[in-house]
Amino acid sequence: DIVMTQSPATLSVSPGERATLSCRASQSVSSNLAWYQQKPGQAPRLLIHGASTRATGIPARFSGSGSGTEFTLTISSLQSEDFAVYYCQHYNNWPPFTFGPGTKVDIK
Amino acid sequence: EVQLVESGGGLVKPGRSLRLSCTAAGFTFSDYALSWFRQAPGKGLEWVSFIRTKAYGGTTEYAASVKGRFSISRDDSKSIAYLQMNSLKTEDTAVYYCTRDHEGAANYYYYMDVWGKGTTVTVSS
Repeated sequence: DIVMTQSPATLSVSPGERATLSCRASQSVSSNLAWYQQKPGQAPRLLIHGASTRATGIPARFSGSGSGTEFTLTISSLQSEDFAVYYCQHYNNWPPFTFGPGTKVDIK
Repeated sequence: EVQLVESGGGLVKPGRSLRLSCTAAGFTFSDYALSWFRQAPGKGLEWVSFIRTKAYGGTTEYAASVKGRFSISRDDSKSIAYLQMNSLKTEDTAVYYCTRDHEGAANYYYYMDVWGKGTTVTVSS
């Protein structure tokens, strides 16, 4: 199975600042990588697929990059509604689909 | 509006069975593969099961942790997907989400573009 890791576990950021989240796969997943946002008590929401394509309705301040084993999610200017947990997930060599453990973005 | 609504969760004793339903609206259900995921209290996300469209044989996949105990199915005439869960264990306690799975670059690659709000399953004596 492909193991996904994320860093940091927690990122403390002030509103308006930039946040950079990292995701690494234990083997190449090409560009078959998605990012999801989850707020407390809510379902995950797709942000990015194909490593860099924003999902429908996702603001331009969210951007994804990377391929192979190293990926990055950048939030250019954090808004109050962006404080949440972010998960990366591969959909390359499956089953299973696997997720990283998540990065919690909280208010500094 | 595109939406998925899960139902059927509840409190059940170990060894018993439960069937979850996922009712879809706002899109052509038969055109999409579907998955079930779960999230144990305070934990991360875990994929459970997947079912392809009838066009691709309606074949199914399962996580190792549920293989042989859980069964996924779909009724395209009703726009409902099911997850039959047998021989439940305490470690199956979680919020269960169904997802609409969108084909990526090829029909092997799927990402989850719509999630339901989830239904809670608690397995406890």
